Amino acid sequence: AQTVTQSQPEMSVQEAETVTLSCTYDTSESDYYLFWYKQPPSRQMILVIRQEAYKQQNATENRFSVNFQKAAKSFSLKISDSQLGDAAMYFCAYRSANKFYFGSGTKLNVKP
Amino acid sequence: DAGITQSPRHKVTETGTPVTLRCHQTENHRYMYWYRQDPGHGLRLIHYSYGVKDTDKGEVSDGYSVSRSKTEDFLLTLESATSSQTSVYFCAISERRGTDTQYFGPGTRLTVL
Repeated sequence: AQTVTQSQPEMSVQEAETVTLSCTYDTSESDYYLFWYKQPPSRQMILVIRQEAYKQQNATENRFSVNFQKAAKSFSLKISDSQLGDAAMYFCAYRSANKFYFGSGTKLNVKP
Repeated sequence: DAGITQSPRHKVTETGTPVTLRCHQTENHRYMYWYRQDPGHGLRLIHYSYGVKDTDKGEVSDGYSVSRSKTEDFLLTLESATSSQTSVYFCAISERRGTDTQYFGPGTRLTVL
């Protein structure tokens, strides 16, 4: 069965600094997608970034980038120039075929 | 934002009563999902649908049933609610072709007393 593990329940970063959130997953498949979602206190799930497993190039979206290590089954999220609005729960997710699997989340605190 | 609504947004009910949550989309996406979110567990898949009248179980399907009679609506039913089903429920949609991204509704907070 596919599993997604986020080993950091909570992290803190100073405003304007960089932080990296970790995610590992377990799968025997070769074709899949990986995602990071953000959930602010409003509870809305917001897509941050996505990565196709067949692409070697790491995805980037403005201040957000990933470090995708397929062989190691690792998919970390780097947030540069952290802002107060980045404070939220972050969920790593894996998609294969019709199903999505989510990690348990990392709560990110941003200190002013 | 993807056009997904959930109703009701909040509900308090008593143990043993039936409850139905509704998810409505305006994106004409093929796939629809129901998740529950509990502290320490992230999101866990309850059921999903890959077309009208086509549904399948997720990892925590016991005690839940679903129905999809038209593309835009996906209903989640708790036949006899229990306190362990107190949770926040999210609906999501995706289209396999294209970006394969999953978009979420605003969530429903259900409390079973």
